[in-house]
Amino acid sequence: DAGVIQSPRHEVTEMGQEVTLRCKPISGHDYLFWYRQTMMRGLELLIYFNNNVPIDDSGMPEDRFSAKMPNASFSTLKIQPSEPRDSAVYFCASSLPRDGGGTDTQYFGPGTRLTVL
Amino acid sequence: QKEVEQNSGPLSVPEGAIASLNCTYSDRGSQSFFWYRQYSGKSPELIMFIYSNGDKEDGRFTAQLNKASQYVSLLIRDSQPSDSATYLCAVKRGNNRLAFGKGNQVVVIP
Repeated sequence: DAGVIQSPRHEVTEMGQEVTLRCKPISGHDYLFWYRQTMMRGLELLIYFNNNVPIDDSGMPEDRFSAKMPNASFSTLKIQPSEPRDSAVYFCASSLPRDGGGTDTQYFGPGTRLTVL
Repeated sequence: QKEVEQNSGPLSVPEGAIASLNCTYSDRGSQSFFWYRQYSGKSPELIMFIYSNGDKEDGRFTAQLNKASQYVSLLIRDSQPSDSATYLCAVKRGNNRLAFGKGNQVVVIP
């Protein structure tokens, strides 16, 4: 399997612009997670989906952030408008629970390094 | 109380020595426990998972779980410079999400 795929790997944008991050989970995994990682706050869960349905978005910092999962193989995280404090590495991860035949392990994509100027 | 705590500061170990990392968690109902390794500028990668009390060994790595004490640890034997990284402890919550600790940086000195 190719693993979790994320694009773009790097994104530099100006404050106020819209940013869209993309993720393709591992085939067969029914959970998808979006994280943000900074030096100050560590790894933070933003939102996660089960079978394409958002389950918990309590980690989404503001209404400027939105996420969708239109099908089992694709998800987006959008920031509109972007601000300098959104600069971070954004990871997507997917998993298959133990009661679904998996191990509960979350497998991470390579991340998108976002810089907002 | 934080969900997952990794309190130790950076750990420096000589090459060939044992590195010991500790983690405590707050949810007594947690069932699955994970150690991830993260190299600088890379994504977290799974080292080991453990479900049951006791030890689980995989090569140079041993995970230890004590649910009564709500404690999980990772031992790295015969530490190598390639083991220099940040190690993240994670615990599965009942809603299928993982709670992560802040991580411990390990530096193996040749």
